[in-house]
Amino acid sequence: QVQLVESGGGVVQPGRSLRLSCAASGFRFSSYVMHWVRQAPGKGLQWVAGISNDGNNKYYADSAKGRITISRDNSRNTLYLQMNSLRTEDTAVYYCANAYHDFWSIYYWGQGSLVTVSS
Amino acid sequence: YELIQPPSVSVYPGQTVSITCSGDKLGDDYACWYQQKPGQSPVLVIYQDRKRPSGIPERFSASHSRNTATLTIIGTQAMDEADYYCQASSVFGGGTKLTVL
Repeated sequence: QVQLVESGGGVVQPGRSLRLSCAASGFRFSSYVMHWVRQAPGKGLQWVAGISNDGNNKYYADSAKGRITISRDNSRNTLYLQMNSLRTEDTAVYYCANAYHDFWSIYYWGQGSLVTVSS
Repeated sequence: YELIQPPSVSVYPGQTVSITCSGDKLGDDYACWYQQKPGQSPVLVIYQDRKRPSGIPERFSASHSRNTATLTIIGTQAMDEADYYCQASSVFGGGTKLTVL
């Protein structure tokens, strides 16, 4: 079955960097658009970034532009999120997610990886 | 861009409940709806305005007109108690907590 397993979260100081990974299995990873969506503690969902199936097109939320880079390695069935200059407001659970029916309808979600930005 | 949802709604078991989502983004894009239970990842319950993914019960339906999308649950069950989020492309609504009384 489809599995999306995030890793790389943890506690990091403000201003530092962190890279999240998402290992995908159970579907043809290279055929699908992928996204990162985050959820701050007790808050709602917020889209962070999306990437086309071939990795050539990348899209970012305004809050992420310039600090966050989404990428993928289709040979390794892995999605990445590189986060730089982290701020306390970046504290959230980060979900790796797969868009199945169209670019924006997010069908499969990982279990999430908690990133805590704190001094 | 913003999508506005009521913070909370409540319903008795077996009754019908609707959750609205409004915003300019809905004038240009399809609406999706997600259900999220405490401690769990979201689940897609509606995509492309009114389509149900495989495995989603028929009691979930939705509509979309201009700048408003509506999720309706007919014959609400206790298991439907959750937070519901609408989405139009890159924007999510603030979420609605559904309480089954």
